[in-house]
Amino acid sequence: NAGVMQNPRHLVRRRGQEARLRCSPMKGHSHVYWYRQLPEEGLKFMVYLQKENIIDESGMPKERFSAEFPKEGPSILRIQQVVRGDSAAYFCASSPPTGTYEQYFGPGTRLTVT
Amino acid sequence: DQQVKQNSPSLSVQEGRISILNCDYTNSMFDYFLWYKKYPAEGPTFLISISSIKDKNEDGRFTVFLNKSAKHLSLHIVPSQPGDSAVYFCAARRNQAGTALIFGKGTTLSVSS
Repeated sequence: NAGVMQNPRHLVRRRGQEARLRCSPMKGHSHVYWYRQLPEEGLKFMVYLQKENIIDESGMPKERFSAEFPKEGPSILRIQQVVRGDSAAYFCASSPPTGTYEQYFGPGTRLTVT
Repeated sequence: DQQVKQNSPSLSVQEGRISILNCDYTNSMFDYFLWYKKYPAEGPTFLISISSIKDKNEDGRFTVFLNKSAKHLSLHIVPSQPGDSAVYFCAARRNQAGTALIFGKGTTLSVSS
């Protein structure tokens, strides 16, 4: 039973480029969450999605960041016109539709903006 | 406004002894608490959780205690093993299904043999 998959594991972008981070939830999980971890910090919630719906994006920066979870395929976190401050580890988590509050995390994507 | 606080950045313990990791929270709307363990360059791994209606939950070597009146929880690891060396995050959830987890900054546990 595969866990949460994220790719790429490492991503290097120059300032002004776009970054696309992908997340495939665990089998049977229909809830996806994105978190960001800055150095020496805990994980900070960004967005919560279900298939084709954004449920809570209260942690998402208002500009340049967007997320989707289409009917088919992985969830995508997109960062346009990246800046050095976007350098961080981005983690995706998933949970089943009912019955548990635990979220299961992927290995993360480490974004470096040069 | 940190709602979940882990005031000890690090903790060192000898193998076989007890490790106690602490966590304080400020939001009385939290109804579920979780502990995650994280190794470098990996994602957090779920360890153990506790509902706000309980004061203790045990799973093997791991026990979580919750003191609601003090808004405090702790994770006990007995006996500690070198493989337990990692960063431990405390997280809390508001009382709605599927909402975000609020994480503390983590405590780095080092277990020496």
